[in-house]
This record gives sequence, C-alpha cells and structure tokens, in this order.
Amino acid sequence: DTAVSQTPKYLVTQMGNDKSIKCEQNLGHDTMYWYKQDSKKFLKIMFSYNNKELIINETVPNRFSPKSPDKAHLNLHINSLELGDSAVYFCASSQGVGGQIQVGTQYFGPGTRLTVL
Amino acid sequence: AQSVAQPEDQVNVAEGNPLTVKCTYSVSGNPYLFWYVQYPNRGLQFLLKYITGDNLVKGSYGFEAEFNKSQTSFHLKKPSALVSDSALYFCAVRDRKNRGSTLGRLYFGRGTQLTVWP
Repeated sequence: DTAVSQTPKYLVTQMGNDKSIKCEQNLGHDTMYWYKQDSKKFLKIMFSYNNKELIINETVPNRFSPKSPDKAHLNLHINSLELGDSAVYFCASSQGVGGQIQVGTQYFGPGTRLTVL
Repeated sequence: AQSVAQPEDQVNVAEGNPLTVKCTYSVSGNPYLFWYVQYPNRGLQFLLKYITGDNLVKGSYGFEAEFNKSQTSFHLKKPSALVSDSALYFCAVRDRKNRGSTLGRLYFGRGTQLTVWP
C-alpha cells in the first residue's frame, strides 16, 4: 500500500551511460514532481507534471528528460550521465487542483540514490 | 519572489527539553506553510501545515508550529524532545495562487539538522 514508490532504490553506473528512474503514486493525485537532493541535503525542484502536462521545468540540463505516460507515473530519463549527477532523486505527488485542504501537501517517495563513477 | 529561510543549520537539544526549529518566509500574500522531516536514508515525511484559521497548528509525533504573520515566521516546536526526533527538518512555503507554473509548487528551506542527545 505504498503511496509513492520509486525504482530502483540504488543506481550505480559509469559516466556516459543512460539510465531511467521510475515513479508511481497510488494516491489519485494529479500532479507529480522530481527533486534532486545534493550532498548538502539541499532540495532542488527539477520538474513537475499536472495531468501529464509539463508545468515546471527548472534550469536542468537537456540530458534530463521526464516522461509521464499517465497521471500515476512520472519517469526520469538521464542521458550521458556525469559525475555531478550523483545525488538522491526524489519523486513526489500532490493534488494540484481541488479543495483548499487537499491542495499543496506533497507526498514523497523513498528516493533513488544515483552514484556515477 | 518566494523564499524560505531556516537560519540554523543545526539545533542540539537534550532529551526531555523543549525544542524549536526556526523558519521565516518571504512570499506575496498569505502563504500555505509546511514542515517536513527527513530521517536518514528516507524520503521526506509531511509533519504539519498551516492553511488558515488558528495560528497554532498541531501535527504528527507531538510537533506543533505557530504561524506569526507580523514576523513572517512559522517555527516548529515540541514541548519535550525525544532522541528519535533527531532528523533533518525542512520548512516549505506555497503561494496561494494555484495555476500555471505555481501549481502546487513548494519552496523549501535548506533544512535544519536536529540532534537530540540522551
């Protein structure tokens, strides 16, 4: 009954490789997000999707491409991985529209620790 | 522009003592305010939020936070700290405008590491 799940939990790969991280939520939310948490624990938003439409696209290298096949899924594909991409990536979801009480609370997945060698 | 400041990188407190983790914000209009907690090697967990109404908000695990509009603060408090409260705490703010690129968007502080020693 996990609310927001991510796979894989750990990802170790070589520079230059292409990798994907998957995210699924079973909360019925209409908005999903990707965050990057660096080694200093700073959280930076990367993307958000609402009903499969890209809403937030922060200054992120073009090597990062999100894909939302449906409202419950938001995957992150990374091309040509670099050392600086090593971080923990968190997926989150929230109800973007609707009543005041529901709006805004984001629920986070457990994170994917990416290590680029 | 919306922003959140957590002025302390680290807060240390003895078990049984009260704790406060500070947060100030800058946002146009009246914001929605949140606290999240991150335990080691885990995702962020929602603790509490202020939407409207009573300035004192009660949340999970005995935590509470007080919204102070004049001081633009939303400090997290607990009357009696536990060792198990040791974690990284994030304050976040959301604009009440909820459309376009602001849809659901949270602005996070840099986090405060709380250590409760026995």
